[in-house]
Amino acid sequence: GENVEQHPSTLSVQEGDSAVIKCTYSDSASNYFPWYKQELGKRPQLIIDIRSNVGEKKDQRIAVTLNKTAKHFSLHITETQPEDSAVYFCAASFLQFYFGTGTSLTVIP
Amino acid sequence: DTAVSQTPKYLVTQMGNDKSIKCEQNLGHDTMYWYKQDSKKFLKIMFSYNNKELIINETVPNRFSPKSPDKAHLNLHINSLELGDSAVYFCASSPGLVETQYFGPGTRLLVL
Repeated sequence: GENVEQHPSTLSVQEGDSAVIKCTYSDSASNYFPWYKQELGKRPQLIIDIRSNVGEKKDQRIAVTLNKTAKHFSLHITETQPEDSAVYFCAASFLQFYFGTGTSLTVIP
Repeated sequence: DTAVSQTPKYLVTQMGNDKSIKCEQNLGHDTMYWYKQDSKKFLKIMFSYNNKELIINETVPNRFSPKSPDKAHLNLHINSLELGDSAVYFCASSPGLVETQYFGPGTRLLVL
């Protein structure tokens, strides 16, 4: 089955700086790569996703890049704000979702 | 505007008991899931149903039995609860198999 690795497990940045979270996957058949944000005590919520026919997607301060050849994808958050503090999960999907192990992001005011 | 709802929100029970968690979605989605999130925050899929049919059953003890009475509902019954079952259980739904998943609010299960 698919194996999704996510790094780093924890990340602290100063407010206004950028944050990058990276994921690698093993199954070349995976074709859908969503990112979820989970605030403390809340449910995971989709923030951005990308499909395998696209290399990059951007939504305001959030962007995702996908390198199919290397089988890795990354989440980029620019101009971070304290409300970006949360746990972020990547996932790779072909017929089912495989989630990464999560990155706890702390934005320091 | 509750899209995916779960009951109960909290569940505290003794070891050995049997309990159920209910999930309902009003999004008209075909696919529903159960996830377990442990204390380390790992999200692990347990079951996936598509049009009321079980399509994924990960390595989960057979004490866990899902039941989908219709496309909008996927319930989880747990027999003979163990301490290690303590976790947050999330229900989710999606339009199809490789589509965005929408999560319920979670059920925090504590087995004493």
